Amino acid sequence: DVVMTQSPLSLPVTLGQPASISCRSSQGLVYSDGNTYLSWFQQRPGQSPRRLLYRVSNRDSGVPDRFSGSGSGTDFTLKISTVQAEDVGVYYCMQGSQWPWTFGQGTKVEIK
Amino acid sequence: EVQLVQTGVEVKKPGESLNISCKSSGYSFSNYWIGWVRQAPGKGLECMGIIYPGDSDPRYSPSFEGQVTISSDKSITTAYLQWNSLKASDSAMYYCARLSAAPGEGFDYWGQGTLVTVSS
Repeated sequence: DVVMTQSPLSLPVTLGQPASISCRSSQGLVYSDGNTYLSWFQQRPGQSPRRLLYRVSNRDSGVPDRFSGSGSGTDFTLKISTVQAEDVGVYYCMQGSQWPWTFGQGTKVEIK
Repeated sequence: EVQLVQTGVEVKKPGESLNISCKSSGYSFSNYWIGWVRQAPGKGLECMGIIYPGDSDPRYSPSFEGQVTISSDKSITTAYLQWNSLKASDSAMYYCARLSAAPGEGFDYWGQGTLVTVSS
């Protein structure tokens, strides 16, 4: 299985400041069709997960533009340009390039 | 509006069987893969398996193969996750989620989750 490793696992952030989460895969995520299937999910406390980004950097409908994704190969990053109170939760990366699809361990974002 | 509505809370004893459901609406059920994701208490997300309702073709993660059965009934736009003999370690929140048209893009719509507690 492809192992997804996130860092940090806990991220205290000051409101209005930026935040960055790293996700590294144990193998390259370029699929045979040339696409890189790396997604990011947000899980607010007590809620179901919600997809924020897919194929590394494509934002889902309704996702604020303060969320952005970048990276290639085995190294990916989720950035929040200015953290808001509603961004508190756990963030997961997920690879969909090789079955079984696998998630990172999660990064808990909290307000300082 | 795409919606996935899951069975409510289930409390079972070890050794019992269980079937939880996920009713979809607002899109063409047969044409999108549906997946099941496990979240053990205080833990992260694990993809258990997916199914294509158009032909009821399931695919399991090796960690869950033989442990659960995933099925679907396109006549009632519902997917299922079944256990024949529950263990305490099956206690978790289970989410169904729809996959994007390009499945590798991941789960774009999620159910509200079914909490399963297995205890004697």
